Amino acid sequence: GNSVTQMEGPVTLSEEAFLTINCTYTATGYPSLFWYVQYPGEGLQLLLKATKADDKGSNKGFEATYRKETTSFHLEKGSVQVSDSAVYFCALSKGGTSYGKLTFGQGTILTVHP
Amino acid sequence: DAGVIQSPRHEVTEMGQEVTLRCKPISGHDYLFWYRQTMMRGLELLIYFNNNVPIDDSGMPEDRFSAKMPNASFSTLKIQPSEPRDSAVYFCASMRGASYEQYFGPGTRLTVT
Repeated sequence: GNSVTQMEGPVTLSEEAFLTINCTYTATGYPSLFWYVQYPGEGLQLLLKATKADDKGSNKGFEATYRKETTSFHLEKGSVQVSDSAVYFCALSKGGTSYGKLTFGQGTILTVHP
Repeated sequence: DAGVIQSPRHEVTEMGQEVTLRCKPISGHDYLFWYRQTMMRGLELLIYFNNNVPIDDSGMPEDRFSAKMPNASFSTLKIQPSEPRDSAVYFCASMRGASYEQYFGPGTRLTVT
């Protein structure tokens, strides 16, 4: 079946540090890939997405590239801020009979200190 | 747009009681999802609807859980009877078909004592 694996957390960084959160997936065919972010006390919100191989999703300084050859979709940001502290979820969607259904990774807690 | 609306935001109940969680999706969205989030199990999809019809309920834990969507603007998730292990944050999300983007509500934090 489909699955998503994220790097173990939590991740603690100083402000302006470089961020990488690793995400790999297992799925047949060509899933769409997503990063969602959950701020404390809130629901998840879409951060970025990529729907085909080699696509790069980007938003708010975050980027992730859909790598079919390594089945990866790593999240990166060049300079994190305290306001980026949140839980980050990698997810995939297969489409077809499962259209709309997301498979989430376990989430990675990010804490950024001033 | 008001976003996805969930009520109540917090619910504390005793074991054995019936609990009903409510969700109003974003107008025009034709998919609705119910999730449960716990520290131990992470984020789990319980059930989802398309055009008010349940598509996949394989994530519903057991017969104590039921969900309905009587119209395009309202859905309920009911637990009867509730148990302490049902304590979690329950999220509702909606999506406009073909967009792939799910919009989550703020969640209902359920505590069963």
